[in-house]
Amino acid sequence: EAQVTQNPRYLITVTGKKLTVTCSQNMNHEYMSWYRQDPGLGLRQIYYSMNVEVTDKGDVPEGYKVSRKEKRNFPLILESPSPNQTSLYFCASSLSGTVLSTQYFGPGTRLTVL
Amino acid sequence: TQLLEQSPQFLSIQEGENLTVYCNSSSVFSSLQWYRQEPGEGPVLLVTVVTGGEVKKLKRLTFQFGDARKDSSLHITAAQPGDTGLYLCAGERGNRDDKIIFGKGTRLHILP
Repeated sequence: EAQVTQNPRYLITVTGKKLTVTCSQNMNHEYMSWYRQDPGLGLRQIYYSMNVEVTDKGDVPEGYKVSRKEKRNFPLILESPSPNQTSLYFCASSLSGTVLSTQYFGPGTRLTVL
Repeated sequence: TQLLEQSPQFLSIQEGENLTVYCNSSSVFSSLQWYRQEPGEGPVLLVTVVTGGEVKKLKRLTFQFGDARKDSSLHITAAQPGDTGLYLCAGERGNRDDKIIFGKGTRLHILP
């Protein structure tokens, strides 16, 4: 089954404790992206990747890192999480980065930073 | 700056009624997409509109792209409880900076 998987689905952590949210897709997509979704602010792009070893900042990249060492994986790293990073995070993938290419979203990771 | 404004923010109507939600911008978009997101899940693509004036139908859902490619609407006929969810529009600006932006969404609740 074609899908985007994220782990963990739920995470409660404390300020400053490094964490990684994994994202994997099995559709051989070149484009992958991370979003955060907050009430009243909608979906905002954090980082995106057009292909392996190619990443770029989205609209809200501060406090986040990403890497794209393999085509299928695109982990999101929070080196020193802070409470303002409490949010619902989505990973997405598509054949290309354009709107003409369907973006497939993962199920989401709900992160709480205390 | 929010480039895609969705209205209304919230809508609660009775089953069987018709409704229209809107996605507006002052910018031109090369194309627009509509997604539906249900609680606890990621957004799922409903449709992509590309040509100004284009109309697409998906069962009881009708999507229209404005002639000037600055706005779009989603009309639902005879709404059903299964239509409940968050409806998001997303667009890629005409100047192609490879960034897709989302509106804040319309939260729709259909009462049985």
